[in-house]
Amino acid sequence: RKEVEQDPGPFNVPEGATVAFNCTYSNSASQSFFWYRQDCRKEPKLLMSVYSSGNEDGRFTAQLNRASQYISLLIRDSKLSDSATYLCVVIWNYGQNFVFGPGTRLSVLP
Amino acid sequence: NAGVTQTPKFRVLKTGQSMTLLCAQDMNHEYMYWYRQDPGMGLRLIHYSVGEGTTAKGEVPDGYNVSRLKKQNFLLGLESAAPSQTSVYFCASSYTQPTGEEKLFFGSGTQLSVL
Repeated sequence: RKEVEQDPGPFNVPEGATVAFNCTYSNSASQSFFWYRQDCRKEPKLLMSVYSSGNEDGRFTAQLNRASQYISLLIRDSKLSDSATYLCVVIWNYGQNFVFGPGTRLSVLP
Repeated sequence: NAGVTQTPKFRVLKTGQSMTLLCAQDMNHEYMYWYRQDPGMGLRLIHYSVGEGTTAKGEVPDGYNVSRLKKQNFLLGLESAAPSQTSVYFCASSYTQPTGEEKLFFGSGTQLSVL
């Protein structure tokens, strides 16, 4: 079983739609959780951290469920510019290993 | 605002040739990493370093060597390139914020093709 798994995608949604991505991780000792965004042929960039209490940044909401070892990302009112691959990232040994999921590709259509 | 700089951006090798990828960061970060990214596989850790003079193996270290002689530089070497090493390579560095949260910064990537 992969350490971090994500919805396989791709997700093709119209502008204005709400879309949710799911991620599960296998190591119960995981300490930190993130969502990264990667545009085609570019490097990944941090979108947001994920906290146990859940957190929101504009149209983006991230949730963490430690008991189920599950992370989610919700994008509301999706824009064309949201089209990218979204990577779930988990750390279980501070400073030594960021483990990436395979990514879920999103295409927002006009 | 250089951040993390990787060179070269593109390279084509023949099987058996050697090369070195250079990663440089100007943020005084202790931790540095080399990842490779293949379609459908996500990023996989090749080697990493927790400080000058130290290196460690990641998930897929075979066929690669690394060195961290200076804190700001992390070199990835391919001694005898194989077609299976065709990939996009990303260097990254990280630091721990006062909040305890890790933050990871990436270079722009190197597209390597081995024929």
